Amino acid sequence: SQKIEQNSEALNIQEGKTATLTCNYTNYSPAYLQWYRQDPGRGPVFLLLIRENEKEKRKERLKVTFDTTLKQSLFHITASQPADSATYLCAFGGFWGYNKLIFGAGTRLAVHP
Amino acid sequence: DSGVTQTPKHLITATGQRVTLRCSPRSGDLSVYWYQQSLDQGLQFLIQYYNGEERAKGNILERFSAQQFPDLHSELNLSSLELGDSALYFCASSVQADRTEAFFGQGTRLTVV
Repeated sequence: SQKIEQNSEALNIQEGKTATLTCNYTNYSPAYLQWYRQDPGRGPVFLLLIRENEKEKRKERLKVTFDTTLKQSLFHITASQPADSATYLCAFGGFWGYNKLIFGAGTRLAVHP
Repeated sequence: DSGVTQTPKHLITATGQRVTLRCSPRSGDLSVYWYQQSLDQGLQFLIQYYNGEERAKGNILERFSAQQFPDLHSELNLSSLELGDSALYFCASSVQADRTEAFFGQGTRLTVV
């Protein structure tokens, strides 16, 4: 079955540094990957979508890469701030006609002042 | 605010009971999804509707059912509730059926006692 894995350990970094989160997938070749942010007790918030024919996507301080050979996506937050502390979820989809997003368990990011 | 409205926010009920969770999608969105998130499981896809019709099914129990009405709001019915059904239930919506980001509501926290 399709599987999506994210680093289950929390990532702790200092303010101003770049945070890099990893998402690996197996048994599938998704047409696209999405990244969401989730704060405790709240719904996930969409951040970025990258398609299989795109190597990189940027939005302000966020950057996502998609390597279909390695079956991996990397999510970067540059110049991180304490307000970036949250759980980040990756999800893949790409099923024709429906949007059955399969989510990873998420990586908790803590940015320390 | 994602524009997706879920009610109620909290629900406490006894085992064996039946509850209905309601979701109003963003204006203009035709697709609605339901997800379950429990502490040890992450976000699990339950079901997707598009313009009133079921489009995709995930790991949805037979005790659970859903529908999307002509005005595009959706309801998730959970019956014969068990302690293990305690979780956050999220509704999400999107403009089209596939290859697009999803916007999540704030969730309904269900506690079965």
